[in-house]
Amino acid sequence: LAKTTQPISMDSYEGQEVNITCSHNNIATNDYITWYQQFPSQGPRFIIQGYKTKVTNEVASLFIPADRKSSTLSLPRVSLSDTAVYYCLVGNFDTGRRALTFGSGTRLQVQP
Amino acid sequence: EPEVTQTPSHQVTQMGQEVILRCVPISNHLYFYWYRQILGQKVEFLVSFYNNEISEKSEIFDDQFSVERPDGSNFTLKIRSTKLEDSAMYFCAGRTSGGANEQFFGPGTRLTVL
Repeated sequence: LAKTTQPISMDSYEGQEVNITCSHNNIATNDYITWYQQFPSQGPRFIIQGYKTKVTNEVASLFIPADRKSSTLSLPRVSLSDTAVYYCLVGNFDTGRRALTFGSGTRLQVQP
Repeated sequence: EPEVTQTPSHQVTQMGQEVILRCVPISNHLYFYWYRQILGQKVEFLVSFYNNEISEKSEIFDDQFSVERPDGSNFTLKIRSTKLEDSAMYFCAGRTSGGANEQFFGPGTRLTVL
């Protein structure tokens, strides 16, 4: 599994755009980049997944440069309810190890 | 929207006792997982289950642990003789056959071993 590195914590204010970058230098050709969100005392929740370029859904955007050695999760106009831990996972969990491997994540604190 | 449910939400037990944690996955899911998260630490994989057998297990999942899907709907995790260090949140998760990277997690069971 590709090792990932992301900031331990970030602070933001309501209404701002937040970008969380994840480094994954040894990403394999068939690996996908997946982001999960976890609120306190809740299970992780899938946010978004991508392979290359840009992916957008109703929650976030994921930017992946051509070399795929990093990715950026972008949360537009955050609110207090976006305070959570965000995990970057890299792998192809269908063909490889089937369990998700979580790192320490990025703890995002949104302030009023 | 269908959800994964887990019961109980909180279980308190004495060291050495057996506990059974229950999960009802989403009905069209085929792959099932148990993870745990000790307070303040990472989410850790325990075991995966497919086609009524264990697909993979971590080093945490020793002989004290077992899983079962007895009736096609419930998915259970049993800890035979609990230890203090088993205190954690236990999450059940599931996925369809095609959505490997997208797993749906339940709300968790908080296990406290005294």
